[in-house]
Amino acid sequence: EVQLVESGGGLVQPGRSLRLSCAASGFTFNSYWMNWVRQAPGRGLEWLANINQDGSVPYYADSVKGRFTISRDNAKNSLYLQMSSLRAEDTAIYYCARDWTAAGDFDFWGQGTLVTVSS
Amino acid sequence: QSALTQPASVSGSPGQSITISCTGTSSDIGGYNSVSWYQQHPGKAPKLMIYGVSNRPSGVSNRFSGSKSGNTASLTISGLQAEDEADYYCNSYTRSSTPAYVFGTGTTVTV
Repeated sequence: EVQLVESGGGLVQPGRSLRLSCAASGFTFNSYWMNWVRQAPGRGLEWLANINQDGSVPYYADSVKGRFTISRDNAKNSLYLQMSSLRAEDTAIYYCARDWTAAGDFDFWGQGTLVTVSS
Repeated sequence: QSALTQPASVSGSPGQSITISCTGTSSDIGGYNSVSWYQQHPGKAPKLMIYGVSNRPSGVSNRFSGSKSGNTASLTISGLQAEDEADYYCNSYTRSSTPAYVFGTGTTVTV
């Protein structure tokens, strides 16, 4: 059974950093592009970043470029999102998602982890 | 990377058909056949309903269908059922600056 489990969320002060993790199981992790998507309270989905199978090619949404870094450790079947210079508007549920076709078709999602940026 | 435009809400009666539009530009929907649709119930993670414009993943009801014309993609739900009441989001590949993906603004379907 495919499972994605995010962790690392919580309350963080503005300007601070936070690293999210996504533990993958039930599939060959190093065969898929992986993504981070977030959803602010009461708002829509926002694609943040993705990374290729071996971790050598990351892409970012303009809204987080330069502040967020996506990475992966295929030996640990884990995906990461390092977030820095956090702002109140980064408050959201953060999901990791598998790209099934390498064409933006996110077939499995984690349950999400809530990040709250507040003083 | 501006969000794709969807109607805020669409409603229908049980058994009816509804269509949700998703409008973008030639840099996203109009330029590529990488459009997907997601269903999200309150408090739950999104679920893939349509991929590659018009393909259904295994297990998704054939009441759901997708299409595209120019810069606009559409999701049609036929034989509307109470369980279809949810938020729906489109998504497209975009190459306006760097390769990326962009979601639609979301549509709440009320049955």
